[in-house]
Amino acid sequence: AQSVTQLDSHVSVSEGTPVLLRCNYSSSYSPSLFWYVQHPNKGLQLLLKYTSAATLVKGINGFEAEFKKSETSFHLTKPSAHMSDAAEYFCVVSGVAGSQGNLIFGKGTKLSVKP
Amino acid sequence: GAGVSQSPSNKVTEKGKDVELRCDPISGHTALYWYRQRLGQGLEFLIYFQGNSAPDKSGLPSDRFSAERTGESVSTLTIQRTQQEDSAVYLCASSSFWGGLGTEAFFGQGTRLTVV
Repeated sequence: AQSVTQLDSHVSVSEGTPVLLRCNYSSSYSPSLFWYVQHPNKGLQLLLKYTSAATLVKGINGFEAEFKKSETSFHLTKPSAHMSDAAEYFCVVSGVAGSQGNLIFGKGTKLSVKP
Repeated sequence: GAGVSQSPSNKVTEKGKDVELRCDPISGHTALYWYRQRLGQGLEFLIYFQGNSAPDKSGLPSDRFSAERTGESVSTLTIQRTQQEDSAVYLCASSSFWGGLGTEAFFGQGTRLTVV
């Protein structure tokens, strides 16, 4: 069975400071992992994905995530937050097909950016 | 098409009426998902179609909810006898293959359903 846990429901940072959104996963197989972003009243957009190539993955808008198998983690980071980064972020695990298709969503982390 | 298209973008309906929501996936995508997102909440899985396989309906909240898909094309989500608790954004997504690595889902903009 696969599962994903986003450890923080809400993260607040000041503009210009680093961002860390935490995600832990559970999978019996080698998973693919994704981060999606959802800006207010917008659809979901793929931010980045890990598919068993390089463990450090770079995405759009300066975000990156590191796959750590030993820690079963896939945390999302950005060196310097921008006001436009305020949004909801979803960590997703994908692997062998099962229930819910092959995509398991975390509950989301809402990122607030203070000026 | 260029992306996943959903219609209508907004729907206001009276309690007790039936509604149909439509999703046009990206051409060639064999997998199609429906999710529900209530205000301020995460995504709630509803149903998953993959090619000609039997759909995974495990997320449908009640028998008032049903969905169909014709081959690998359009899908329709139907809610019968709508209730106020059905008010939410309904999101559709499609992806290009079954299981394995590298699959990402592409989302439509959603249908905002308001039951009054």
